[in-house]
Amino acid sequence: DGGITQSPKYLFRKEGQNVTLSCEQNLNHDAMYWYRQDPGQGLRLIYYSQIVNDFQKGDIAEGYSVSREKKESFPLTVTSAQKNPTAFYLCASSTSSPGGYTFGSGTRLTVV
Amino acid sequence: LAKTTQPISMDSYEGQEVNITCSHNNIATNDYITWYQQFPSQGPRFIIQGYKTKVTNEVASLFIPADRKSSTLSLPRVSLSDTAVYYCLVGDIQTGANNLFFGTGTRLTVIP
Repeated sequence: DGGITQSPKYLFRKEGQNVTLSCEQNLNHDAMYWYRQDPGQGLRLIYYSQIVNDFQKGDIAEGYSVSREKKESFPLTVTSAQKNPTAFYLCASSTSSPGGYTFGSGTRLTVV
Repeated sequence: LAKTTQPISMDSYEGQEVNITCSHNNIATNDYITWYQQFPSQGPRFIIQGYKTKVTNEVASLFIPADRKSSTLSLPRVSLSDTAVYYCLVGDIQTGANNLFFGTGTRLTVIP
């Protein structure tokens, strides 16, 4: 079955540590995205990539980094510079169809 | 940026039709209107998409007036499993994900 896989589902990080969230898709989609969701809030765009080896900052990119070395993969690193990283992180991909996202099941990151 | 405005929450009894309206006064000519459904701790799921007039699929209908400044998602005969947050998304991925805005959504609660 085609889809997007995010791992791990739950992640705990100590303050001051970097952590990388995985996102893999086998939908052959060109574009991939990372969103952050806080409790009771909507989704906010962190980074997106429309093609391999290229990506753009979203609305809240500070403290995050990404890479897009392969079409299928778009990992997100939450760095120690992100002051409030505890949140639900969602990865998505899309075709050229406007607004046509497919989302992963998310990673819940907690800083302890 | 075509931001959207939706009611924060709605309640409905099982078996009733539910209409959720989204305002998007600054919608651009190339923008599509897309609705997503999100259950707790899951990624949003595509429901329906339209550009103008009426669109219907197996789960919902989308009504868009001629001026396209609003849209209404209609869910026929809701059940308890329709309890979720519904997002109205306006934009065109092809012009860049920064043109897409997820608001806080509408939290629909279906009552037995």
